[in-house]
Amino acid sequence: DQQVKQNSPSLSVQEGRISILNCDYTNSMFDYFLWYKKYPAEGPTFLISISSIKDKNEDGRFTVFLNKSAKHLSLHIVPSQPGDSAVYFCAASGPGNQFYFGTGTSLTVIP
Amino acid sequence: EAGVAQSPRYKIIEKRQSVAFWCNPISGHATLYWYQQILGQGPKLLIQFQNNGVVDDSQLPKDRFSAERLKGVDSTLKIQPAKLEDSAVYLCASTREHPTGELFFGEGSRLTVL
Repeated sequence: DQQVKQNSPSLSVQEGRISILNCDYTNSMFDYFLWYKKYPAEGPTFLISISSIKDKNEDGRFTVFLNKSAKHLSLHIVPSQPGDSAVYFCAASGPGNQFYFGTGTSLTVIP
Repeated sequence: EAGVAQSPRYKIIEKRQSVAFWCNPISGHATLYWYQQILGQGPKLLIQFQNNGVVDDSQLPKDRFSAERLKGVDSTLKIQPAKLEDSAVYLCASTREHPTGELFFGEGSRLTVL
């Protein structure tokens, strides 16, 4: 039962353009959402998060948008840089402090 | 602040052998998780500890996997006997508290079962 879904396994964008990564969830009890970035042979590292009481959170080049009615969130990276090339995981958690992850989207930023 | 420590980083064993992984979470983090990440998939929760008690182990294959967290600090995950499908990266993570505590991961232990 996949509670968090990332339907795009890969994405390629040109350097300087916007990267948009999408994520959908099914459990309405989730109230905290996170994005993680993963390089090969390393553990995932936290990138940005958003609470369900907000619909947008910005941190530098990274912005996460949350649409609770659609159970959808997205990560925008502007401008995209070659160093952003990695696998991005969406995660969600609820009152039990359990974190559920999507299957990841592999982003390639082309110089 | 020291991160989540895991060892070993890599392990190769033959099927039916046993293996153990160790994790030391970030100091002060009461909640510890073990995740299994198979190539091309997202991390899948195996077990969640709150201090030294188990919160959720519903997805842990208990016939072959076991985990403990003695004294509420470091933790070990054991597989005995290993199967080919256990080849994966085993990630340990810790967090302070919900809802604003993000999950901090270790570098993972990559297991190859031949």
